[in-house]
Amino acid sequence: GENVEQHPSTLSVQEGDSAVIKCTYSDSASNYFPWYKQELGKGPQLIIDIRSNVGEKKDQRIAVTLNKTAKHFSLHITETQPEDSAVYFCAARESTGTASKLTFGTGTRLQVTL
Amino acid sequence: NAGVTQTPKFRILKIGQSMTLQCTQDMNHNYMYWYRQDPGMGLKLIYYSVGAGITDKGEVPNGYNVSRSTTEDFPLRLELAAPSQTSVYFCASSYAREHGGKTEAFFGQGTRLTVV
Repeated sequence: GENVEQHPSTLSVQEGDSAVIKCTYSDSASNYFPWYKQELGKGPQLIIDIRSNVGEKKDQRIAVTLNKTAKHFSLHITETQPEDSAVYFCAARESTGTASKLTFGTGTRLQVTL
Repeated sequence: NAGVTQTPKFRILKIGQSMTLQCTQDMNHNYMYWYRQDPGMGLKLIYYSVGAGITDKGEVPNGYNVSRSTTEDFPLRLELAAPSQTSVYFCASSYAREHGGKTEAFFGQGTRLTVV
């Protein structure tokens, strides 16, 4: 099955700096890669996703890049703000079979300091 | 539109007790999932369902059971609670894999379960 590794496990940046979180996946059949943000006491919420036919996607201060050959994808947050502090999860979903199962990384705790 | 609703939010169980975690969604999603999240860990898939009457095991199904009698509801049953089942449980739902391009999984707020 799919295996997703995520680094780093914790990340501290100063407000205004950029943050980068990286993930690798093992199943070359995976074709959908979402990123979730989890705030304290809440469920994960989708912030951006990318499909395997696209190399990069941006949404305001957030961008995701995908390298299918190397099987890795990254989340980039620019001009970080205190409200970006949360746990971020990457995930990968295989395209084959009848079920749409997401495999999650272990999460990155991002702390944006003033 | 409530999205995915889980009850209860918190529960303390004694070893050997049983309970059902409730999950309901009002988005008419085909797919529903149960995950557990242990401290410092990612989300592990327990069970999932691709539609009413159809369920299948995920990565960590032992000690749990599910049923899917309706599209809206996907309860998770713990029969003999064990300390290893202390975790935060999340229910999620999504459309089928290729439903008009909408594939986002929506999560509930979670149920924090402690087994003592």
